[in-house]
Amino acid sequence: EPEVTQTPSHQVTQMGQEVILRCVPISNHLYFYWYRQILGQKVEFLVSFYNNEISEKSEIFDDQFSVERPDGSNFTLKIRSTKLEDSAMYFCASSPPRLVDETQYFGPGTRLLVL
Amino acid sequence: AQSVTQLGSHVSVSEGALVLLRCNYSSSVPPYLFWYVQYPNQGLQLLLKYTSAATLVKGINGFEAEFKKSETSFHLTKPSAHMSDAAEYFCAVRGYSSASKIIFGSGTRLSIRP
Repeated sequence: EPEVTQTPSHQVTQMGQEVILRCVPISNHLYFYWYRQILGQKVEFLVSFYNNEISEKSEIFDDQFSVERPDGSNFTLKIRSTKLEDSAMYFCASSPPRLVDETQYFGPGTRLLVL
Repeated sequence: AQSVTQLGSHVSVSEGALVLLRCNYSSSVPPYLFWYVQYPNQGLQLLLKYTSAATLVKGINGFEAEFKKSETSFHLTKPSAHMSDAAEYFCAVRGYSSASKIIFGSGTRLSIRP
């Protein structure tokens, strides 16, 4: 069964460093998302992406964040200058058009620790 | 605006007992509703979803949920708890647009007593 994959599974970085989190969505999906979950808290929406542009972003997704689909398979989240409060589990998700399937399929997550 | 409220951040039941996790939603139109499960140190797995086809939805691992419009509820149940059901459960809602985000509840941690 196709699944969303994410790399790396864990990343430790120093405050102020740039990080890139990578995701490979399910191959025939058209809509892509990033969510994050700070330890002990609920999952929060960051950004949605369709047709090579951002569809919607939350107030969390400020100028330090960017997303890109550099080729036909990868979907990346970049944090330009990490802060301590960026430490969280970051989930990528993808979905086909709603009329095909209403479900968003989540990857296993990348646990980011900013020191 | 859409939202979900999960009543009870922690529920503990005995093995073999009924599991009931409560979720109420707020939406101006009938939404899509989901239950996801998160096992320790793992990602989010879809348990079941409501998409207006049937009000009683059956999911994986013996779980089911009933959509009650009059009560704006989508409670998750399982007749007999198993030790392997111990996990965090999230109720979630999304809108009709293909690009709609998912809004998650705060989660309910389910513990199973031997």
